[in-house]
Amino acid sequence: AQTVTQSQPEMSVQEAETVTLSCTYDTSESDYYLFWYKQPPSRQMILVIRQEAYKQQNATENRFSVNFQKAAKSFSLKISDSQLGDAAMYFCAYRLRNSGNTPLVFGKGTRLSVIA
Amino acid sequence: DGGITQSPKYLFRKEGQNVTLSCEQNLNHDAMYWYRQDPGQGLRLIYYSQIVNDFQKGDIAEGYSVSREKKESFPLTVTSAQKNPTAFYLCASMGGGPPETQYFGPGTRLLVL
Repeated sequence: AQTVTQSQPEMSVQEAETVTLSCTYDTSESDYYLFWYKQPPSRQMILVIRQEAYKQQNATENRFSVNFQKAAKSFSLKISDSQLGDAAMYFCAYRLRNSGNTPLVFGKGTRLSVIA
Repeated sequence: DGGITQSPKYLFRKEGQNVTLSCEQNLNHDAMYWYRQDPGQGLRLIYYSQIVNDFQKGDIAEGYSVSREKKESFPLTVTSAQKNPTAFYLCASMGGGPPETQYFGPGTRLLVL
């Protein structure tokens, strides 16, 4: 079974600085999706970024970018120019591509604090 | 607006009582999911449904039941058999084609009186 591991339960960053959140996963498949979701204090889950495993280019969305290392099964999230609104729980998730509508597999999350 | 709605926002359950959490989506998504979130445990899958009138158990289905009579609706019942129901419950949906991404509702907080 696929598993997703987030080894940093908590992280902190100074406002305007850069922080990287780690995620590793275990799968024997080659074609899949990886996701980062953000859960702010409102508890609404928000999609931050998505990466297709068949794409070598790392996904970016404004200040958010990923470092996807397929061979190492690593998928880290980099947040640049951190803002107070970035403070949240961040969840890494995996899903096999073209598998119908099977659910995502989530890590346990990393709580990010942003210090003014 | 297209989206997923959950109601109520807060729900209180008495001992031995069954309660039902509502989840509705107007995204025309085929699949819907229920997750439970406890502090420090991330999201755990309770049930999911890939099409109408069909659903599968997730990792922690005991004490819960679901139905999927309409594409738009996937209610979750927390039965009296669930001995520790206090948690935050999230509903999600996903379409059948690209981008194969789950979208979430705002959640329901269930508390036991």
